[in-house]
Amino acid sequence: GAGVSQSPSNKVTEKGKDVELRCDPISGHTALYWYRQSLGQGLEFLIYFQGNSAPDKSGLPSDRFSAERTGGSVSTLTIQRTQQEDSAVYLCASSLVRGQAGELFFGEGSRLTVL
Amino acid sequence: DQQVKQNSPSLSVQEGRISILNCDYTNSMFDYFLWYKKYPAEGPTFLISISSIKDKNEDGRFTVFLNKSAKHLSLHIVPSQPGDSAVYFCAASETSYDKVIFGPGTSLSVIP
Repeated sequence: GAGVSQSPSNKVTEKGKDVELRCDPISGHTALYWYRQSLGQGLEFLIYFQGNSAPDKSGLPSDRFSAERTGGSVSTLTIQRTQQEDSAVYLCASSLVRGQAGELFFGEGSRLTVL
Repeated sequence: DQQVKQNSPSLSVQEGRISILNCDYTNSMFDYFLWYKKYPAEGPTFLISISSIKDKNEDGRFTVFLNKSAKHLSLHIVPSQPGDSAVYFCAASETSYDKVIFGPGTSLSVIP
């Protein structure tokens, strides 16, 4: 499809395990974002990749969280030693380098449950 | 510290009436503002945006108003329809190259 694709759509893991979440942005989009939405909460910014610039990691909640974007396209968000408070929907979005009317296109999210 | 605030977690409106969703921000460097709509189990979808050079932008039933001096924006939906029932997120960024920060959202229910 032509939209942002995320996998897996659902992931259940045990506390202490590592998880990887994948995002395939829209082809040609130079900006890629990761957000998470915990139950009953808003969209929490995690990390932002823009072209070849150094990523803005200011939203990552701890050093257990990391993300990379290979070849300016696919991105992987890795959570090490998962904790129960990491349970959330992780949303990826991509956009063109924006002008006046830029917008983010979101994937459907990866729901992570840490038991 | 939350830079984008939506102080009403929920709002109920009768079908056909106006829905007004409010948003306040604290960062005076924000220059671009966007509204997104989210249905359950789906990713947010873009609704409408406005830049700081304007004070109003209209798209069909949706109008966004920006008051920079008050650091306040609002989304008006007229007339409201049951299909508008969703969570609405206000978002902002400093420049078109900057990260986008979202508010906590307002859940709108349009009652038939």
